[in-house]
Amino acid sequence: DAGVTQSPTHLIKTRGQQVTLRCSPKSGHDTVSWYQQALGQGPQFIFQYYEEEERQRGNFPDRFSGHQFPNYSSELNVNALLLGDSALYLCASSYRDSGEKLFFGSGTQLSVL
Amino acid sequence: GQQVMQIPQYQHVQEGEDFTTYCNSSTTLSNIQWYKQRPGGHPVFLIQLVKSGEVKKQKRLTFQFGEAKKNSSLHITATQTTDVGTYFCAAPNTGNQFYFGTGTSLTVIP
Repeated sequence: DAGVTQSPTHLIKTRGQQVTLRCSPKSGHDTVSWYQQALGQGPQFIFQYYEEEERQRGNFPDRFSGHQFPNYSSELNVNALLLGDSALYLCASSYRDSGEKLFFGSGTQLSVL
Repeated sequence: GQQVMQIPQYQHVQEGEDFTTYCNSSTTLSNIQWYKQRPGGHPVFLIQLVKSGEVKKQKRLTFQFGEAKKNSSLHITATQTTDVGTYFCAAPNTGNQFYFGTGTSLTVIP
């Protein structure tokens, strides 16, 4: 039973570029949440996808966008990268938006130079 | 989003000593979850508390949810080096999206 998988594991970009991060949820899960974790900080909620729609959004600008596919996998896109976007991006899956526990992937470490 | 504050931010203990981290909210919570993140790792679910005054134990870990459902604590008895990591509480907003606390980083000195 595969857990949550994220790709790539590491990424280096320069300011102004665009990036796409990918996530496959745990088998049987239909909800994907994305979090940004800066060094030494707690995960910050970006947004959540269920039934291919964005359910709710945290305090992040429109440069951050996402998508969920029919197979429940998800992408996080960040446009016009800033130095401050450097962080660990975590994907968490769960079953429906019912407050069930979150299963996290290992994350994508993004460095913006 | 939901705001939960955790204290302390850092804690260094000698192996064998006890450890406690506290999570506080200004609003009543429907439930609260606790996660552990090892250095270089990702958060791993530990437990969910739902009922007022609830106490749950997992071996040396004791989790408590306050009577007013505005605070929670995690207590570790006789810490071991395997307990090293950052402990986060997480609380849901009205849409059941979870917001994480600031975390308590635990260092265990052998």
